Amino acid sequence: NAGVTQTPKFQVLKTGQSMTLQCAQDMNHEYMSWYRQDPGMGLRLIHYSVGAGITDQGEVPNGYNVSRSTTEDFPLRLLSAAPSQTSVYFCASSPTGLGNTIYFGEGSWLTVV
Amino acid sequence: AQRVTQPEKLLSVFKGAPVELKCNYSYSGSPELFWYVQYSRQRLQLLLRHISRESIKGFTADLNKGETSFHLKKPFAQEEDSAMYYCALRGTDSWGKLQFGAGTQVVVTP
Repeated sequence: NAGVTQTPKFQVLKTGQSMTLQCAQDMNHEYMSWYRQDPGMGLRLIHYSVGAGITDQGEVPNGYNVSRSTTEDFPLRLLSAAPSQTSVYFCASSPTGLGNTIYFGEGSWLTVV
Repeated sequence: AQRVTQPEKLLSVFKGAPVELKCNYSYSGSPELFWYVQYSRQRLQLLLRHISRESIKGFTADLNKGETSFHLKKPFAQEEDSAMYYCALRGTDSWGKLQFGAGTQVVVTP
């Protein structure tokens, strides 16, 4: 049971490049989400999914795309990277319903130059 | 709108001294409140949740609905408590989404 797995852990991109951050969970959780962590701002929700085939926007969705073709995977795509997207990205998953724990991945450090 | 406020960006305490991290929230209803801890360059780990009312690593937190606060306390800080601490709220209509505070960096010096 690996929990929530994110790849890559570190990435440097040039402005305008695109890339995908991968997130996989092996706990059969319906709910998955992506947050970005910035100094002085805590973690902010980018996109989330309540199940395969269903996604929705969070607080800061601009510049990012997601899809959920399987229960296990929830990739985050940066379409055209900008320096403002330099951040640490965390994927999270949880079962449905209140009272359940939300589990986080180890984070992906992204630098856009 | 829901909001979580952690007024202290940095808290520096001596080993053995008490430590209290403040967290205030706004939410029109009865939310779930959490404390998460993040050690250097690691994933966020759940430290406490208000519904369990348990003590983890010597930390406790009490939900005060009147003051809309969920402060984290430990009577005797240890060096291994040095970390970033986040207070988070989950609304009753958003069971998979957390609203985080800005975080408080705790530094425990010997």
